[in-house]
Amino acid sequence: NSMLTQPPSVSESPGKTVTIPCTRKSGGIVSNYVQWYQQRPGSAPTIVIYEDKRRPSGVPDRFSGSIDSSSNSASLTISGLETEDEADYYCQSYHNNIRMFGGGTKLTVL
Amino acid sequence: EVHLVESGGALVQPGGSLRLSCAASGFTFSSYGMNWVRQAPGKGLEYISYISDRGTTIYYADSVRGRFTVSRDNAENSLYLQMNSLTDEDTAVYYCARDYDSSSYFYSAPGHWGKGTQVSVSS
Repeated sequence: NSMLTQPPSVSESPGKTVTIPCTRKSGGIVSNYVQWYQQRPGSAPTIVIYEDKRRPSGVPDRFSGSIDSSSNSASLTISGLETEDEADYYCQSYHNNIRMFGGGTKLTVL
Repeated sequence: EVHLVESGGALVQPGGSLRLSCAASGFTFSSYGMNWVRQAPGKGLEYISYISDRGTTIYYADSVRGRFTVSRDNAENSLYLQMNSLTDEDTAVYYCARDYDSSSYFYSAPGHWGKGTQVSVSS
């Protein structure tokens, strides 16, 4: 059981906007940076958001990250959905000083 | 361009040992923290281990602490994972990943990943 909880799946239509939450069960979400990774089937993960909201070069600005201390959650928002965004998405942060991942969310774009 | 190539994955019997390697190129290896992450079949990512740029700081997930040992050879641009007392729960693709930044442990994270190597534990 991960300390970072994600919904197992979300789905949305092309062109729409989807938000994937990552809720921290204990400890403050603001205590450590949150990263987000995209993993397409059969491929290694790639980082799409680091330090809560920063985007690596090459990642479209359709991807954005945010932190909400009131819900103790981080969120990944993808706007203008494209079929190529269909993938598994994982949040990553720390628990007891150990890096850890959320359980992952499968995004279906249909 | 950052290039990471894992090797050493194999089919091994329960209780056996295996040593994974990760060959790095395209960057100054001795300047970055390195990570091992695994993914069991049909499951999510599981963080395994971290080693700092000079090897002085090491972390392990509870699931492997005492059985796995991470090390690095900066002269050879290589990262290693020695795995002992393997069980079927260790069956997974093992990824080597470089931190995205040369900052300290809490101010970076896995940013560049290899393609992974398959470890299967079965009798």
